[in-house]
Amino acid sequence: GDSVTQMEGPVTLSEEAFLTINCTYTATGYPSLFWYVQYPGEGLQLLLKATKADDKGSNKGFEATYRKETTSFHLEKGSVQVSDSAVYFCALNSPGTGNQFYFGTGTSLTVIP
Amino acid sequence: EPEVTQTPSHQVTQMGQEVILRCVPISNHLYFYWYRQILGQKVEFLVSFYNNEISEKSEIFDDQFSVERPDGSNFTLKIRSTKLEDSAMYFCASTSSQGEETQYFGPGTRLLVL
Repeated sequence: GDSVTQMEGPVTLSEEAFLTINCTYTATGYPSLFWYVQYPGEGLQLLLKATKADDKGSNKGFEATYRKETTSFHLEKGSVQVSDSAVYFCALNSPGTGNQFYFGTGTSLTVIP
Repeated sequence: EPEVTQTPSHQVTQMGQEVILRCVPISNHLYFYWYRQILGQKVEFLVSFYNNEISEKSEIFDDQFSVERPDGSNFTLKIRSTKLEDSAMYFCASTSSQGEETQYFGPGTRLLVL
């Protein structure tokens, strides 16, 4: 079945460091791929998405490219800030699955000044 | 900006008790979902709901679970006789149409069953 495997956390970085959070997926069809972020005490918020191969989603300095050949959607940011501290979830949504999402386990990121 | 809200934020209950988790989806949305995340595990799909009916449900969503839209705004998840393993974070989500890919999530209810 469809699934998402996400880099284990927690991740701790210094401010202005480069961030990569790895995400790979397994899907039978052609899924859409998402990164959601959860700040403390808040709900899951859409960070970015990509709907087809080679698409790049970007938002707030974060980027992820839909790589069909490696079935990956790694999240990157060139220079993290303390305010980026949150839990990041990779997810996919396959056509024909009734619009249900498949999530990874989430990666907790802490950015220290 | 419209958002999905959930109440309560935390609930502690005794094993065997019934709990009702409440969600208020975004007002013009038509499709509603419940997910749960057991601590340290993946966010898992429970059920989707449209037009006052369950559209799809996972293996987790057995007879102890039920969903309801009792009025025009609330969407509830009832767990009839809670078990220890029901302890988890429960997320509600909504979307405007089935073809809309982005789901909008609430902040979650953390349920602890003792």
